[in-house]
Amino acid sequence: QVTLRESGPALVKPTETLTLTCTFSGFSLSSTGMCVSWIRQPPGKALEWLARIDWDGDEHHTTSLKTRLTISKDTSKNQVVLTMTNMDPVDTATYYCVRGIVAARGAFDIWGPGTMVTVTS
Amino acid sequence: EIVMTQSPATLSVSPGERATLSCRASQSVSSDLAWYQQKPGQAPRLLIYGASSRATGIPARFGGSGSGTEFTLTISSLQSEDFVVYYCQQYNNWPYTFGLGTKLEIK
Repeated sequence: QVTLRESGPALVKPTETLTLTCTFSGFSLSSTGMCVSWIRQPPGKALEWLARIDWDGDEHHTTSLKTRLTISKDTSKNQVVLTMTNMDPVDTATYYCVRGIVAARGAFDIWGPGTMVTVTS
Repeated sequence: EIVMTQSPATLSVSPGERATLSCRASQSVSSDLAWYQQKPGQAPRLLIYGASSRATGIPARFGGSGSGTEFTLTISSLQSEDFVVYYCQQYNNWPYTFGLGTKLEIK
């Protein structure tokens, strides 16, 4: 059974750096074709894709946040970490860790439950 | 970036009837289009990828069609649990982008 779970702080202050960890099981991120993405959703709003990391270490980031985002993986721990610098109240959202399907890595078949992050002073 | 436009924003349909949801891309995304269903308080669930391939475990009443810039999600014989929000998403170009969603409500 494939599962992913996000963890990290629920509250962050403006200008701080957010670090979120995705811990997954049921697949290996070292297997060819595997990838993990991060997606966020502000309360009552639509989904926004943030970043993706592939089995070979290749990375992709959304254009608007590229300078603020870092994505990394620890294959031995089955973890993917997202860091976002200079947090702002508009970054308040539920952050999801998701797996891309091998046949179409941009489509996400397994989602974590999400973690709500509130940015407030 | 590619803008995904979903219409209508809200669709009112009676249970047992068919719903047709539309998604338009600002430029061609070939068939690199996915549909998701999101229930309140839950993470989205993948319904369709590759514009028309049903994801694992998705009932046959969910169908996707289209290519290029025009796509459709059809839900036949609507059941009570289908009245939630649906998103389309393109993965043909970086960055991946989602539509704003269509809320399916009971008529």
